[in-house]
Amino acid sequence: EVQLVESGGGLDQPGGSLRLSCEVSGFTFRSYWMHWVRQAPGKGLVWVSRINTDGSYTNYADSVKGRFTISRDNAKNTLYLQMNSLRAEDTAVYYCAREADYSTSATDYWGQGTLVTVSS
Amino acid sequence: SYVLTQPPSVSVAPGQTARITCGGNNVGTKVVHWYQQKPGQAPVLVVYDDSDRPSGIPERFSGSNSGNTATLSIRRVEAGDEADYYCQVWDSSSEHVAFGGGTKLTVL
Repeated sequence: EVQLVESGGGLDQPGGSLRLSCEVSGFTFRSYWMHWVRQAPGKGLVWVSRINTDGSYTNYADSVKGRFTISRDNAKNTLYLQMNSLRAEDTAVYYCAREADYSTSATDYWGQGTLVTVSS
Repeated sequence: SYVLTQPPSVSVAPGQTARITCGGNNVGTKVVHWYQQKPGQAPVLVVYDDSDRPSGIPERFSGSNSGNTATLSIRRVEAGDEADYYCQVWDSSSEHVAFGGGTKLTVL
C-alpha cells in the first residue's frame, strides 16, 4: 500500500524556519518525481515545489523561491521541505504528493498533510 | 504565471450531469488534470491527461479540453460527489504547476 506521511509542521514566528518531512512507503521512492502543495485555511490548492528522481532538478513557485528548499534522501525514502524566512502568508496545510509515472505533473498519491502556522 | 479560472460553485440535482469548467489562455494546448477534495481530506486525482481516469475512478467522471476551456463532467451525480474540484496544468514555459481556484460542487 502506497503511503506518504508528512511531519514537522507546527507554530513558528515570522522570520523563523521549519523543516517538513514526508516519509513514503509502498513504492520505489527513487523512481518518482515528487511535489509539495499547500492549502491555506479555507482556500484552494497552491503548488509549492517539484523535484526529480535524484534531486538534481528542482523548481519553485515564485512566492517561495529563495526561501524554501526541496530535497530528498532516497536511502531514507524521505522528501523534505526546508522553509526559511517564514511569513504569515505561508500558513497552510502542506501536502507532499507523488507524480504519476503515467503522466507528467499529475499527482496520484498524496499525504494527509501537516499544518504550518506562522504567527507572532 | 499561467492562470486557470474556475467558477466558485456549481449546483446539480442527483442523477443529473455536473459540468465544471476550467478556463485558461489556449488551455487546449496543455494537458489538464482534475482533483476531487472532500472536507478534511487530501485531494484525489479523478481525471488526468485531459480525459483519462486513474484506476478506481468511476466511468461517470470524464474530461475534455479544447480552445480556452477544459471541462470535467460528472454523469449521474450522487450525494457522495459533493466536494471541491480543482483543475491543474503543467506550464512548460515557466516550468510551474498551476491549479485553478477550485469549484465547490453542491448536490441539491
